[in-house]
Amino acid sequence: DIQMTQSPSTLSASVGDSVTITCRASQTINRGLAWYQQKPGKAPKLLIYKASSLESGVPSRFSGSGSGTEFTLTISSLQPDDSATYYCQQYNTYPTFGGGTKVDIK
Amino acid sequence: VQLVESGGGLVQPGGSLTLSCAASGFTFSTYALSWVRQAPGKGLEWVSGISGGGGSTFYADSVKGRFTLSRDNSKNTLDLHLTSLRDEDTAVYYCARHRFSGNYNHDSFNVWGQGTLVTVSS
Repeated sequence: DIQMTQSPSTLSASVGDSVTITCRASQTINRGLAWYQQKPGKAPKLLIYKASSLESGVPSRFSGSGSGTEFTLTISSLQPDDSATYYCQQYNTYPTFGGGTKVDIK
Repeated sequence: VQLVESGGGLVQPGGSLTLSCAASGFTFSTYALSWVRQAPGKGLEWVSGISGGGGSTFYADSVKGRFTLSRDNSKNTLDLHLTSLRDEDTAVYYCARHRFSGNYNHDSFNVWGQGTLVTVSS
């Protein structure tokens, strides 16, 4: 299995800040990487696919980058509604997810 | 576009259960589907996937030989049959649609159900 390591596991930032979450794969996954947002008691919501493609309806403040083994999710201007847990997922092979990053608003 | 899961509940270790997912709002047979689970307070784990036609199925090592995935394209339904259940199978199980239609590829998931809770406990 490909292991996905996310960092940090938690972060706290203020409204308007730019925040970055990193996801590292244990082996190359090309650009088979997605990012999800999950709020308590809800299903995950797809934000980014193919490492950098923005899912329809997702605000443009979310962006993804990377290839190979290192990927990032950036929220350019943090909003109160962005308080959630974020997961990366590789799908180059059998899907695996990162451990999650909880984002809190100060 | 909607997925609605059902069938969760409390089951004893070693027991069996069938989860169902009813789909609407899209051409069901053209999309692969997967189940993803989330243990209480934990992260996400892909469990199983099936091609649009139902001829190809894929399983995580943790459930291979114990879970069976099938679909009925005439009824727009997806079923996951769980057997030999263990404590560690306790989780919310989500039905999820692969983002791209066509042949089965491991993929991102852009449509999710609300989840159904399976609790394995004596």
